[in-house]
This record gives sequence, C-alpha cells and structure tokens, in this order.
Amino acid sequence: KAGVTQTPRYLIKTRGQQVTLSCSPISGHRSVSWYQQTPGQGLQFLFEYFSETQRNKGNFPGRFSGRQFSNSRSEMNVSTLELGDSALYLCASSPVRTTSTGELFFGEGSRLTVL
Amino acid sequence: GQQLNQSPQSMFIQEGEDVSMNCTSSSIFNTWLWYKQDPGEGPVLLIALYKAGELTSNGRLTAQFGITRKDSFLNISASIPSDVGIYFCAGQLDNAGNMLTFGGGTRLMVKP
Repeated sequence: KAGVTQTPRYLIKTRGQQVTLSCSPISGHRSVSWYQQTPGQGLQFLFEYFSETQRNKGNFPGRFSGRQFSNSRSEMNVSTLELGDSALYLCASSPVRTTSTGELFFGEGSRLTVL
Repeated sequence: GQQLNQSPQSMFIQEGEDVSMNCTSSSIFNTWLWYKQDPGEGPVLLIALYKAGELTSNGRLTAQFGITRKDSFLNISASIPSDVGIYFCAGQLDNAGNMLTFGGGTRLMVKP
C-alpha cells in the first residue's frame, strides 16, 4: 500500500511570495491533517480536512489555508510568505472511523525555505 | 493552548540499556500517542493509549497512560542502534478530530 505522498519535497521562495503544497493520502483514507514542524516551535497543528470540509483549525494566521478534493487529495497554501514560515510541512492521513483515534500516517514532508 | 512538556530533551545511552521518557500536561487528554521520527522522514506511530491507567506494549516498547490523564511515559528496553531518532508524545482531546498536541521531543542517541 503506497504511503502518504507530498510534493514538492523541497522548495525555496522569497518573502512576499505564495506557495502551494500538495498531499496524496493513503488510498481509502479520507482525513488529511497538516502540521508545521520547526526547531523552535516543534510540531504544530495547522488544519484537518475530512470529506472536503475543514474539521479543525490550529492557531495560525489567515495566510495559511487549505482544501481537500473529492478524491481526498489535499493542498495547503501560504500567501505573503514570511521568513518565519520556513519549516517542514507534514501531511498526515487517517482512515475513516466512527471517531478519530489520533493514529496518523505521515508523509515525508515538504521543506520550505523562505529567503 | 495546551502544552506538553516532554523530558528529557536528549539522551545518549549505551546499546543494551533501557530508556525512559515522559510527558506531562496541564490539561487532560483523552488519548496519548507516541511517535518516532527518523531523519528525513515523517513521524511514525509507535503506541496509542486510550484509557487512563492503560499499559500497552509493542515489542521492546512499553507505554502507560497516566491515571490523572495528564501524563504518559514510554520505556524502551534493551536499546539497539536503530532506536536512534526523535520520540514525540502527543495528546488528543475528545471531539478534536485528528488535532494533536505534540511534546517537544526526546532525541535518543545509542552508542554501539
């Protein structure tokens, strides 16, 4: 079974630009979550999508947004990039269950560098 | 927001030694999870705990969900070189979907 696939793996942007990251979940998984990982703040929850609807949102500014498509693939977008947005962005998928268990399957991440 | 305090931040041990790390919170969580992250990879789930007081094993790993629901520990017995990595605890609130709060991580280094 293929794992969670994130593209691109690495990218460099300059301040003020915007970026779109893509995530393909494990086949059959309908929940997709995004996390930001930095040395200073650690792993922080961005948002979760389930059946194309945002189910939860973390404490990030409105420059961070996401969406999910009918095939469960997800994208996140960061507009007006700042230096502090440099991070590893991790996508995680989770199978459909009656209740969420927190059992996440993570991709390898997209490493964003903002210059 | 919730904070998870994970300790120690790093450990350098000899192969064969046992390892213990823990996580504490000022808030109650309904689920505690332990993940491991290798360099260049995303975190991988090791153990999930769903009930206060629960003790669960996965091979050489044992984890417990604290009675107060505000803490958890992870033990690794007879460490081997491939145990090297960063271990994260994570807490999940009820009705929070897959929104997890992560600890700061414990970096484990094993000397052969």
